[in-house]
This record gives sequence, C-alpha cells and structure tokens, in this order.
Amino acid sequence: EAQVTQNPRYLITVTGKKLTVTCSQNMNHEYMSWYRQDPGLGLRQIYYSMNVEVTDKGDVPEGYKVSRKEKRNFPLILESPSPNQTSLYFCASSLRRTVSPLHFGNGTRLTVT
Amino acid sequence: AQTVTQSQPEMSVQEAETVTLSCTYDTSESDYYLFWYKQPPSRQMILVIRQEAYKQQNATENRFSVNFQKAAKSFSLKISDSQLGDAAMYFCAYRSLDNYGQNFVFGPGTRLSVLP
Repeated sequence: EAQVTQNPRYLITVTGKKLTVTCSQNMNHEYMSWYRQDPGLGLRQIYYSMNVEVTDKGDVPEGYKVSRKEKRNFPLILESPSPNQTSLYFCASSLRRTVSPLHFGNGTRLTVT
Repeated sequence: AQTVTQSQPEMSVQEAETVTLSCTYDTSESDYYLFWYKQPPSRQMILVIRQEAYKQQNATENRFSVNFQKAAKSFSLKISDSQLGDAAMYFCAYRSLDNYGQNFVFGPGTRLSVLP
C-alpha cells in the first residue's frame, strides 16, 4: 500500500531533550516536507527536500533540523525542544513538478513541557 | 510569496443541504495548482479535489465541486447533499510551480459542522 509512515503518533517530552520524528514513504517521491499545524494558522512548512541530500528551509525552520540521506526517509529533529514547539506535525511527500498532491502521514502530536 | 485566505473559520450546514467554502489566494504566477484537503477528527489529511490553473473547466468529484475564478483568484468548494461524514476541517492549498514546485501554501482552514 502506498503510504507515508510517520512515527510516533503522540510524543510528550520535556524542554531541552532531543527528539526525532521519523518519516518514510514508499512511493518513490522526490519531494518531501514537514509541516506544523496550529489552530488558526493552518499548516506551515518547516523544511522541504527536493531530493536526496537536498533540503531547504520553509516558513518556520527555527529550532528544527532535517536530513535526507535516503530518498524514502526524511526525519525531523528537534535538538532542544521548547514549549512553543508544542504542535501537530505532518510529514508529506509528492512527485515533483506535476499536479500530484501531497500525500500525508498520520501526524505526530508533540507536547513539550 | 503566495498567500491563501479562508475567511470563514467555522461554518455549519444541515444534512442533505449544500454548502460553499470560500478560498482566495494571492499570486503573481500564471500557472499553478489548487487543492482542497479535508481533515476529519482522526486528523488524517485527505485530498478532496484538485484544479490546474490553466484549465478553465471546474473540477468535480462526486458531491464535491469547485468554482475556480482565475481572474478573481478565488477557489471555492461546494459540497452538495451534505452528509454527517463531511464534518471536518477543510484546508485550501496552493502549489507553486516555481523552483520545481516545492512550494505548497495552506490557508488557515474552515471547520465545517453538519447538523442532523
């Protein structure tokens, strides 16, 4: 089944404790991205990647890191989480430069205390 | 940079009735793609419908249709014969073709309630 697998689904952590949210897709998509969803703000792009070893900042990259060492994986890293990073996070992938829509993972609800 | 506006934070519709969700966007590009996504309480993001800007014909998917007005930069979603399962958050999204199309921009969303 074609899908974007994102883990964990829920995560509660404390300020400053490094964490990684994993994302993997099996559709051979070149494009992958991370979004955070906050009430009244919709989805805002954190980072995106057009292909292996190619990543770029989105609209809200501060406090986040990503890597794209393999085409299928695009983990999101929070080196020192803070309470303002409490949010719902989505990983998504797509074919590049077509009418292809974004395919989303099931989301990760992160709470930083 | 492109922006997407959804001016209705919340809307409600009676079951079996028709409702229209509005979306406007700001862009200087001539070619782009537009999408509507549905997010039910399960929080999964589900594609509802897509529209290519160069196509004048409005897209339709079963009970869902759009009214695409390119000159007005408007992309509204019409849901006919509303069902209880249509209750969800709806997001309008714009996909730019600049820089190989990596730029997806989302609106703030409209929460739709369906009343039995």
